[in-house]
Amino acid sequence: QKEVEQDPGPLSVPEGAIVSLNCTYSNSAFQYFMWYRQYSRKGPELLMYTYSSGNKEDGRFTAQVDKSSKYISLFIRDSQPSDSATYLCAMSSLGGSNYKLTFGKGTLLTVNP
Amino acid sequence: DAGVTQSPTHLIKTRGQQVTLRCSPKSGHDTVSWYQQALGQGPQFIFQYYEEEERQRGNFPDRFSGHQFPNYSSELNVNALLLGDSALYLCASSLGSNTEAFFGQGTRLTVV
Repeated sequence: QKEVEQDPGPLSVPEGAIVSLNCTYSNSAFQYFMWYRQYSRKGPELLMYTYSSGNKEDGRFTAQVDKSSKYISLFIRDSQPSDSATYLCAMSSLGGSNYKLTFGKGTLLTVNP
Repeated sequence: DAGVTQSPTHLIKTRGQQVTLRCSPKSGHDTVSWYQQALGQGPQFIFQYYEEEERQRGNFPDRFSGHQFPNYSSELNVNALLLGDSALYLCASSLGSNTEAFFGQGTRLTVV
């Protein structure tokens, strides 16, 4: 079983839709959760960074963490064509000598005008 | 404020050759991590450098090595290139033990 599972999609939605992206994980030591947006042939751009459980909102983006279910989500409201990209979830435990990020495979999102 | 910069952006090498990739971290950051991203996959952790030493290493062979300089910039070296080393190589910078990491645009390496 992979440490982080993410549905690769592709996901196609009309402009203005609410988008829900999800990841599940198996390592209960994960405490820090991130969402990155990656445009084609570019480096990942950090969208959201959260610690432990709960919600965090930034503009049209909301990140949700449910540690009891080992499940994280990213919601995008009023989606725009410029949101079309691959979305990567990433996690870290930062315990002992562990500093690395563990990523999901990414979900390819297309927002159609 | 300059973000993470990587060079070169693209590179084509022949099997068996050696390659060096370079990274300058975001201003104020002192930690550099390297990741390999194959097509259609998430980034895989190669190693992290802090205070000019390799602090953690992922599951990559010894052909992959690195270095961090006193100004916090870093190099990734890959020896005896294989076709399977073709990928996007990403550099990420952060501060100390903080896991909030910012990535560069990557170096696309093609091995022929």
